[in-house]
Amino acid sequence: DGGITQSPKYLFRKEGQNVTLSCEQNLNHDAMYWYRQDPGQGLRLIYYSQIVNDFQKGDIAEGYSVSREKKESFPLTVTSAQKNPTAFYLCASSVPLGWGYTFGSGTRLTVV
Amino acid sequence: AQSVTQLDSQVPVFEEAPVELRCNYSSSVSVYLFWYVQYPNQGLQLLLKYLSGSTLVKGINGFEAEFNKSQTSFHLRKPSVHISDTAEYFCAVKEETSGSRLTFGEGTQLTVNP
Repeated sequence: DGGITQSPKYLFRKEGQNVTLSCEQNLNHDAMYWYRQDPGQGLRLIYYSQIVNDFQKGDIAEGYSVSREKKESFPLTVTSAQKNPTAFYLCASSVPLGWGYTFGSGTRLTVV
Repeated sequence: AQSVTQLDSQVPVFEEAPVELRCNYSSSVSVYLFWYVQYPNQGLQLLLKYLSGSTLVKGINGFEAEFNKSQTSFHLRKPSVHISDTAEYFCAVKEETSGSRLTFGEGTQLTVNP
């Protein structure tokens, strides 16, 4: 079955370390997105990509980086510059001008 | 720019009672509207969407929503809730001219009590 896979489900990081969250989809969707979710704040857009080798900053891109070398993959790196990285991270994909997103099951990142 | 307001952050109800989760949006152009549900520690699942046509939209799990253009609202309703409906619900909007990007509301936590 087609879908989006995020890994790992839980991730622990020491302060000062970079960490990369994986997002892979087999839906043949062109657009992919990364959101951060904190309690009471809904979903905030970090980065999005409408096509391979191109991506745009969302509303809270500082301290994060992405790449889009393949249509299927859109990894997110949380860098040491992100001051408060502990959160639930969601990846999503859609077709262009599409009718909503398909979401992955999320990665919960905790800084220890 | 588009925006979405979910008017209630928490809605507690008893099992088998009706429920309405309110959503208002702001946009100067035509929009498409969505409701998603999120169970704890999971991603979001699409409940229903309004693209065009009939303003009353039926979704999964017995939910429905009504698009009201004059009031810029898209409230979600269910006539009789179950314990299993306990989850967080997100309203989202996409402007016709904004590509595929959605803007989400801040969510409404629905808690169904026995």
